Amino acid sequence: SQTIHQWPATLVQPVGSPLSLECTVEGTSNPNLYWYRQAAGRGLQLLFYSVGIGQISSEVPQNLSASRPQDRQFILSSKKLLLSDSGFYLCAYSGQTNTEAFFGQGTRLTVV
Amino acid sequence: RKEVEQDPGPFNVPEGATVAFNCTYSNSASQSFFWYRQDCRKEPKLLMSVYSSGNEDGRFTAQLNRASQYISLLIRDSKLSDSATYLCVVKVGSWGKLQFGAGTQVVVTP
Repeated sequence: SQTIHQWPATLVQPVGSPLSLECTVEGTSNPNLYWYRQAAGRGLQLLFYSVGIGQISSEVPQNLSASRPQDRQFILSSKKLLLSDSGFYLCAYSGQTNTEAFFGQGTRLTVV
Repeated sequence: RKEVEQDPGPFNVPEGATVAFNCTYSNSASQSFFWYRQDCRKEPKLLMSVYSSGNEDGRFTAQLNRASQYISLLIRDSKLSDSATYLCVVKVGSWGKLQFGAGTQVVVTP
């Protein structure tokens, strides 16, 4: 069966520190991968998506970057966190065709 | 204009009543449509896909109107456990970029 793992569940980081969030998918090949951010009380904002290894598209300019070093691994990074980077970060995957997406449990990031 | 728009609510619904709400989308090339449910501080979970002919899943009914570019969700015989935020999701393009609405909050009261 297909599963998605995202960690850590919660994270408190000081301003200016680096960030690395990891997401891995099991049980499927060549998935579409997504990183979303949800600010408190707001909708999901698409940050990055990937249709294959090394293929990353960014939706909005920001202090973050993403990488896909392996088919089923998606990493969200920052060199220096800002207070505005706080939020609920969600990784998701879907099939290549018009199929639904499934989410990891999310990482609640607080930048202090 | 947002690509996917929803009434944020909240919709306050007595237990056992019916509630319905819509979602509009701007991209006529949208190919797939879904409703997700999100509980407070949790990840979104798929509730149901929305098919062109409309579809039911128990107490939930979804409809798609391509001409007017909206989808709807109807919940019958509301349960307290139906309280959540319902997210409208539209998949666009050949590779399937997912666009989320901001969500409609439903509160079912005893």
